[in-house]
Amino acid sequence: QVQLQESGPGLVKPSQTLSLTCTVSGVSIRTGGYSWSWIRQHPGKGLEWIGYIFYSGSTSYNPSLQSRVTISVDTSKNQFSLRLNFVTAADTAVYYCARGLKRNAYFDFWGQGTLVTVSS
Amino acid sequence: QSALTQPPSASGTPGQRVTISCSGSSSNIESNYVYWYQQLPGTAPKFLIFRNDQRPSGVPDRFSGSKSGTSASLAISGLRSEDEADYYCASWDDILSGPVFGGGTKLTVL
Repeated sequence: QVQLQESGPGLVKPSQTLSLTCTVSGVSIRTGGYSWSWIRQHPGKGLEWIGYIFYSGSTSYNPSLQSRVTISVDTSKNQFSLRLNFVTAADTAVYYCARGLKRNAYFDFWGQGTLVTVSS
Repeated sequence: QSALTQPPSASGTPGQRVTISCSGSSSNIESNYVYWYQQLPGTAPKFLIFRNDQRPSGVPDRFSGSKSGTSASLAISGLRSEDEADYYCASWDDILSGPVFGGGTKLTVL
């Protein structure tokens, strides 16, 4: 059974860096063909793709966030991580990690999500 | 502003058939697969329909998807109270070079 679990601080101060980790169980991140994504949902709003990574380390980011985002992978821990720099209140959202496919809107397994609030 | 356009709300009574539309463009829906996700209150989105009209294992055949040109739709037949949720369409966008989502449709079962 594939499971994903987000972890990280629930409160971040403005201008600081949001850091989250997604721990994957039930499947190896090295399994070929899958992308590992971060997706967020602002309160009461729709879904926004942040970016994805492959086990090789190859990444793709949403152009609207690209200048502030870094996604990395640690295959030894079966984890991938998100860093979002210079956060503002507009980055307050529920952050999800999800498994997907390359060049696709296919996301078959999702984490439960974690609320990150940006506030001083 | 979402790249894909959905009606903000839809409703139906138990047993009815409801449809939810999703409108896009030539850079997304017309040239790529459409996916649908169901989000029950307070939970993560759930994979509901893939490749326009395919159901993952475990999804009831009451749920069906279709696509034509730059639009897609999700149909739910035999509506049940547990279908009350937010529904999102999604597709790859060749210009963004990433997946895009609709703004979501809140389905109410009256």
